[in-house]
Amino acid sequence: KQEVTQIPAALSVPEGENLVLNCSFTDSAIYNLQWFRQDPGKGLTSLLLIQSSQREQTSGRLNASLDKSSGRSTLYIAASQPGDSATYLCAVSDSWGKLQFGAGTQVVVTP
Amino acid sequence: EAGVTQSPTHLIKTRGQQATLRCSPISGHTSVYWYQQALGLGLQFLLWYDEGEERNRGNFPPRFSGRQFPNYSSELNVNALELEDSALYLCASSLVPGQGHNEQFFGPGTRLTVL
Repeated sequence: KQEVTQIPAALSVPEGENLVLNCSFTDSAIYNLQWFRQDPGKGLTSLLLIQSSQREQTSGRLNASLDKSSGRSTLYIAASQPGDSATYLCAVSDSWGKLQFGAGTQVVVTP
Repeated sequence: EAGVTQSPTHLIKTRGQQATLRCSPISGHTSVYWYQQALGLGLQFLLWYDEGEERNRGNFPPRFSGRQFPNYSSELNVNALELEDSALYLCASSLVPGQGHNEQFFGPGTRLTVL
């Protein structure tokens, strides 16, 4: 059974620092991995999707890496801003697109 | 292009009643997924519909059901509501069904409160 873990559960950094969020999964037979952002009480915003054949994906200040063999993904957010404060979720997809989510990392960026 | 929409935004019911939640996918998307986000339990997969058929369901009792209409919109029905059904229900849609490479796009959710 696939299990997805995110560490740390919470993170507080001053503005301008880089953020490093970790995600690990137990079954390497994934089809893709998605990183999402969730603001309190809101839906999910897709940030990056990494196909199982890819090692890395970048969008603006965001960079996500994937090491399928070791069951790990890392999301880097460069030069953090207060607007980056949110909960970040990673999810792995099975062959039918069903997403298995981690519990999330709650990020606070202080001005 | 409009995103995934869900209605209502909030729904308050009492124990034993039935709740109906609605979702409209992004235009051109045929797959609709439902997820439950209950406090302390994280996001859990509920149901997947594609081309009008239920393709997969998560570990939820049969009182959670739904359907997908010819225009690909979807309804989630929860019968005999229990207090622990209180949660944010999220709907997602994707372009390519069942191939696992498809990106899912989420709606804003429906907050269901059971009193």
